[in-house]
Amino acid sequence: DAKTTQPPSMDCAEGRAANLPCNHSTISGNEYVYWYRQIHSQGPQYIIHGLKNNETNEMASLIITEDRKSSTLILPHATLRDTAVYYCIVRVLYGNKLVFGAGTILRVKS
Amino acid sequence: ETGVTQSPTHLIKTRGQQVTLRCSSQSGHNTVSWYQQALGQGPQFIFQYYREEENGRGNFPPRFSGLQFPNYSSELNVNALELDDSALYLCASSTETGNTEAFFGQGTRLTVV
Repeated sequence: DAKTTQPPSMDCAEGRAANLPCNHSTISGNEYVYWYRQIHSQGPQYIIHGLKNNETNEMASLIITEDRKSSTLILPHATLRDTAVYYCIVRVLYGNKLVFGAGTILRVKS
Repeated sequence: ETGVTQSPTHLIKTRGQQVTLRCSSQSGHNTVSWYQQALGQGPQFIFQYYREEENGRGNFPPRFSGLQFPNYSSELNVNALELDDSALYLCASSTETGNTEAFFGQGTRLTVV
């Protein structure tokens, strides 16, 4: 079973920041938080991952709370092409699988 | 676009038949994982192959089997197909070092009738 909880859907206006929350209250000390997204009819795409520090790359930022029980994925300037299902996953280092939950459907609207 | 390619893209089979799906991993990746994604659900882990050996398996029956070849490409075989096997089958490749992202292919859409 997935160890994360996400809202089923969210809407965001084009050009605005999209903030996607994720709860992982049972996360272990050696588990990382990963985010993937899946655009319709495509395979999942890696976005970002982190352990306890905030992370940023060219796609997004990941904010992890100090107690590590929740995190937020931030897409700073959402575009229509960011409409997708976003999955928050916790995984151990050297783990051999990704456990996907139902994810959050993000709809970016013009 | 990742360097992971899957074939075929679509397939229709009859209940009871057998099917083989293929995956070519990204260059430099020696680990391949297979996932099943039913309509409206997240992908579910089937198994992983690392250096031609199975390296972990999800909650799938033995009629789901796999192979990895010396060039790290992989096959997923499903025997005695059931209607519930209808799904998108995804292949993901990665390196064996921990904490690197997995790169997914576009998937094979299997329909069992």
